[in-house]
Amino acid sequence: AAGVIQSPRHLIKEKRETATLKCYPIPRHDTVYWYQQGPGQDPQFLISFYEKMQSDKGSIPDRFSAQQFSDYHSELNMSSLELGDSALYFCASSAARDSTTYEQYFGPGTRLTVT
Amino acid sequence: GIQVEQSPPDLILQEGANSTLRCNFSDSVNNLQWFHQNPWGQLINLFYIPSGTKQNGRLSATTVATERYSLLYISSSQTTDSGVYFCAARYGNKLVFGAGTILRVKS
Repeated sequence: AAGVIQSPRHLIKEKRETATLKCYPIPRHDTVYWYQQGPGQDPQFLISFYEKMQSDKGSIPDRFSAQQFSDYHSELNMSSLELGDSALYFCASSAARDSTTYEQYFGPGTRLTVT
Repeated sequence: GIQVEQSPPDLILQEGANSTLRCNFSDSVNNLQWFHQNPWGQLINLFYIPSGTKQNGRLSATTVATERYSLLYISSSQTTDSGVYFCAARYGNKLVFGAGTILRVKS
């Protein structure tokens, strides 16, 4: 079965640079979520989109922005990168139209290293 | 916001042993999921279980929503079961994760 696709899988950036992470949800899933997992920590919710509209917002820094496009893929844009942004970034998707479940399926993650 | 607590934080098992992982949540939740994070960092869906009991091979899970807890049972553990097990409760649109249980299965 098709899964959530994230690119790139690994990314190395220097401080103050920008990064763009991409997420392609499972086909027919219309809701996308972004999570950040620091070393030794649990994933923390950043932001979500439903039908291209922001549906919820968590502890996402102002330096980060995200959007969902008409084909439901999403991009997380990160600017003025800091060492503390080094983390595993997950994208997840769910089928909100399916009222029986909101199960979230996670992609393999993008490992961002800021040097 | 909602608090999700997992226990134990660490667990070492001999191959073939059974174990029970617990997840407590502080408020009513819309659903609950269990994940296994493998050594490569991938989050694998184990169960979507807002209530009741489900089984999948050697794994099973039970959620008692009215008492705000969920249990994950692992039977006949194998070395490939090693990793971090997370429970996550849906609160609004987001999943709130517990701190995880680190499981090491020794051969």
